[in-house]
Amino acid sequence: AQSVSQHNHHVILSEAASLELGCNYSYGGTVNLFWYVQYPGQHLQLLLKYFSGDPLVKGIKGFEAEFIKSKFSFNLRKPSVQWSDTAEYFCAVISGGGADGLTFGKGTHLIIQP
Amino acid sequence: EAGVAQSPRYKIIEKRQSVAFWCNPISGHATLYWYQQILGQGPKLLIQFQNNGVVDDSQLPKDRFSAERLKGVDSTLKIQPAKLEDSAVYLCASSGGAGGYEQYFGPGTRLTVT
Repeated sequence: AQSVSQHNHHVILSEAASLELGCNYSYGGTVNLFWYVQYPGQHLQLLLKYFSGDPLVKGIKGFEAEFIKSKFSFNLRKPSVQWSDTAEYFCAVISGGGADGLTFGKGTHLIIQP
Repeated sequence: EAGVAQSPRYKIIEKRQSVAFWCNPISGHATLYWYQQILGQGPKLLIQFQNNGVVDDSQLPKDRFSAERLKGVDSTLKIQPAKLEDSAVYLCASSGGAGGYEQYFGPGTRLTVT
């Protein structure tokens, strides 16, 4: 069975700091990769996704992620965080078919201090 | 476009009682998912429907959980009887139509079993 590991469960940064959240998955075949975000009191929403093509994908609000197949990784980055980025971030994977259910990591709680 | 609707938003029951959750997906979305999110963990897929047929229910505890999607639109998830460990947020998501494989999540139902 596939699994997703997120290395940092709690991250605290100051505004304007750079962000990188780690994500590794276990499945060795074709994968579709996602980062979801949940702002306080809001629904889970998609930040960005990778299905194929350019391994560097850009999402909403200045976030990007890089798919490194050899490392089974899909790390999330943002060069300069804002207070409004405070949220829970989840990495997720679908193996094979794109319509399958998502396998999520445990999430990273990010707090940005003004 | 209206999002995924879920009700109730909150439910408190005693163990061994039964409970039901309702989900109305985005119009035109053929695929519907139910996830369970226990505090401190990422969402876990319980069941996936394609129209009104079950695609994957491998992680659904079938001795106490049941779900149906009549007419391929709304869905209900039932727990009978509930256990303390069922306390969680139950998320409904849907995908399909112009959105392709992207899953759109509802606000969830927070269940507390006492």
